[in-house]
Amino acid sequence: DAKTTQPTSMDCAEGRAANLPCNHSTISGNEYVYWYRQIHSQGPQYIIHGLKNNETNEMASLIITEDRKSSTLILPHATLRDTAVYYCIVRVGMDSSYKLIFGSGTRLLVRP
Amino acid sequence: DSGVTQTPKHLITATGQRVTLRCSPRSGDLSVYWYQQSLDQGLQFLIQYYNGEERAKGNILERFSAQQFPDLHSELNLSSLELGDSALYFCASSLYFSNEQFFGPGTRLTVL
Repeated sequence: DAKTTQPTSMDCAEGRAANLPCNHSTISGNEYVYWYRQIHSQGPQYIIHGLKNNETNEMASLIITEDRKSSTLILPHATLRDTAVYYCIVRVGMDSSYKLIFGSGTRLLVRP
Repeated sequence: DSGVTQTPKHLITATGQRVTLRCSPRSGDLSVYWYQQSLDQGLQFLIQYYNGEERAKGNILERFSAQQFPDLHSELNLSSLELGDSALYFCASSLYFSNEQFFGPGTRLTVL
């Protein structure tokens, strides 16, 4: 049921930017793109979300293409603690009743 | 610490048994979500409650049921357990109009 496609794994060097791509070619006009990450078997942690415009917060930046068919999560200065599985998710539903459909995610390894 | 608590942390039981998993949402959050994470299925949305009412349903088996109580805590009941029900069960909560779900630490269920 997942509506997103991500690379199975990626790696980057500590201190460098990590750019995680996501394809969501079937996304509808009112569906948001969310990013969560999961470190080991802990509960997933919210990172960022967006609809059309690029977004930035203290953790990351989200770049969404103009046609909204793909997006990229950018961790500007990756640290070893950023090693995790990153999930790109399309939110389905309305504000009071929505569900996150998780895909298989991208396993990011940050190398020392 | 997300503010969401789940009990118990670990649960070991036998096939055919019934168990109850408990979730206490963050203070003020009205919505509770349940997810199942198994090795072969990944993270799957099960069900959402808002202020005591069921609002969205995912891939929840008929043997599973949930409810949200007036004090907003939620319970997930799993019955006639099978080996394949062994998984991590996460609870998440959010404000009504919030875009961010806060996940608990999970309950690891092992069915022998």
